[in-house]
Amino acid sequence: GENVEQHPSTLSVQEGDSAVIKCTYSDSASNYFPWYKQELGKRPQLIIDIRSNVGEKKDQRIAVTLNKTAKHFSLHITETQPEDSAVYFCAASIVGYQKVTFGTGTKLQVIP
Amino acid sequence: DTEVTQTPKHLVMGMTNKKSLKCEQHMGHRAMYWYKQKAKKPPELMFVYSYEKLSINESVPSRFSPECPNSSLLNLHLHALQPEDSALYLCASSQAGTRNEKLFFGSGTQLSVL
Repeated sequence: GENVEQHPSTLSVQEGDSAVIKCTYSDSASNYFPWYKQELGKRPQLIIDIRSNVGEKKDQRIAVTLNKTAKHFSLHITETQPEDSAVYFCAASIVGYQKVTFGTGTKLQVIP
Repeated sequence: DTEVTQTPKHLVMGMTNKKSLKCEQHMGHRAMYWYKQKAKKPPELMFVYSYEKLSINESVPSRFSPECPNSSLLNLHLHALQPEDSALYLCASSQAGTRNEKLFFGSGTQLSVL
């Protein structure tokens, strides 16, 4: 089955700096890569996703890049704000199979 | 309405009890999921229902019994649980049979087994 590794497990940045979280996946058939944000005591929420036919996707301060050959993808958050503090999970799946495998999570702390 | 509603929010039960977790969505989604999340860990898939039929069971012990009475409701029946089953149980939904795989999660039920 799919295995998703995520690094780092914790990340502290100063407000206004950038944050990068990296994930690798094992199953070359995976073609959908979402990122979920989970604030303390709250539900995971999708913040951005990318499909394997695209190399990069941006949404305001958030971007995701995908390298299919190397089987890794990354989340980039620019101009971080305290409200970005949360646990971020990357994930991988095959479209139509409804089985999403999550990475181990990154706890991001943005220091004001 | 873009919400997935779960009840109860908290549940404490003994190892001999029978209880049920409930999940409801009115987004017209035809895929519904149960995930288990331990503290500081990612969600782990337990079950998937697609068009009200069980499509994935991730080898979950039989003390967990899912049920999908209709396209809006999903239940998880609990019986003879163990203390290690204590966790946050998350329900999620998504469109089925399309290329939109975005998961909408409920707020979860925090379960404690004594």
